[in-house]
Order: sequence, then structure tokens, then C-alpha cells
Amino acid sequence: GENVEQHPSTLSVQEGDSAVIKCTYSDSASNYFPWYKQELGKRPQLIIDIRSNVGEKKDQRIAVTLNKTAKHFSLHITETQPEDSAVYFCAASKDNAGNMLTFGGGTRLMVKP
Amino acid sequence: GAGVSQSPSNKVTEKGKDVELRCDPISGHTALYWYRQSLGQGLEFLIYFQGNSAPDKSGLPSDRFSAERTGGSVSTLTIQRTQQEDSAVYLCASRQEGTQYFGPGTRLTVL
Repeated sequence: GENVEQHPSTLSVQEGDSAVIKCTYSDSASNYFPWYKQELGKRPQLIIDIRSNVGEKKDQRIAVTLNKTAKHFSLHITETQPEDSAVYFCAASKDNAGNMLTFGGGTRLMVKP
Repeated sequence: GAGVSQSPSNKVTEKGKDVELRCDPISGHTALYWYRQSLGQGLEFLIYFQGNSAPDKSGLPSDRFSAERTGGSVSTLTIQRTQQEDSAVYLCASRQEGTQYFGPGTRLTVL
């Protein structure tokens, strides 16, 4: 089955700097890649997703890139703010409907003011 | 509209007791998932319901775990003869056309 690896497990950046979180997946049939943000004690919430027919997607300070050949995708957060501090999870699915998501292990991002 | 809700928010039980956790999905969502999240860990898939199809139980860790979804809406996750290693946050999610929406979770503590 699918295996999703996520790095780093923890990331500390200074406010205003950029943060990059990387994920690799094993199943070349995967074609849907969402990212979830989970603040402390809260539920995971979708922040951005990308499908395999595009290589990059942006939403304000957040962007996701996808390299299907290398089977990896990354989350980029620019101009980080303290409220970006959370655990971020990547996931992969073999169908565009996101029926079955395989999650990465998570990255704890800490943005220092 | 209302999001996914779960109850109870916290459950403390003694080892060996049975527990039932409830999930109310977003109205009209045909897909429902249960995940387990141990402290500081990722999301472990447990079970998936899609409409009237047989559920995908491939993630259930043992036969002590079971789940039902009645009437295509509310779901109950049952853990029999709880063990200390069952302590975790149990998250439910529902999905319609792409995005999975998570509930707030039930924090289960087995003493």
C-alpha cells in the first residue's frame, strides 16, 4: 500500500522567515495531495490541496509544489507568523475524490516571534 | 452549517471496560472515517464507510475494535476490553466530493 514520509518532524523558524515541509510517497498512482494544519488541541483542518494535473498551487502565503516524477510534494509557507505554529500533515490518495488518505507523520512548526 | 461533531469529548475508563464513541457527520456526507491519534503522533486510519457499501476495516488494530454506521449517518466506534495502549484521541471525519472534514475528537484515557 501507499507509504508517505514527511520531513522534518520538527521545524523552528523566526517570524517572517519561510518554512518548507517535504513529503514523499511510494505509490505512483497517487493523484491527490492535501495538507492539514492541526493547532494544539484542535481538529485537523485542510489548508491547501493539489491534484496531479498541476505542479504548483498558491493561496496567499501558502504554496504547494508537486513533482510526480520524483514522487514528492512540499508545503511552502512564506512570511511566517506565530499563528502558523501548529502540526502540519501531508497526505496522499489514489483517487481525486480523496477516498482513502494516507497521512505523513506530521511536522511540528514553531514560529518564534 | 454544522460541522462534524463527536461525543464524548473526553472519556476516562478502567482497563477491561468497553467504551463507545460517537460521531455525527456533516449532513449529506456519504463517506465517514475513523482515525486514531496517539500523543504527538500522526493519524492512523481505522475504518471507512462509504454509502451502503461494506466498510473498509483494514485499519482496525484488533478484533476488540468495531464500528457501525446506522442509516448512513451517525457512527459508533466500540472498543471492547480496553487496554492502556488504546489511550489516544479518536478522530472522525466525513467527506463529500474531495475534502475530509474532521471532528474535534474524543480523548480516551484508559487507566
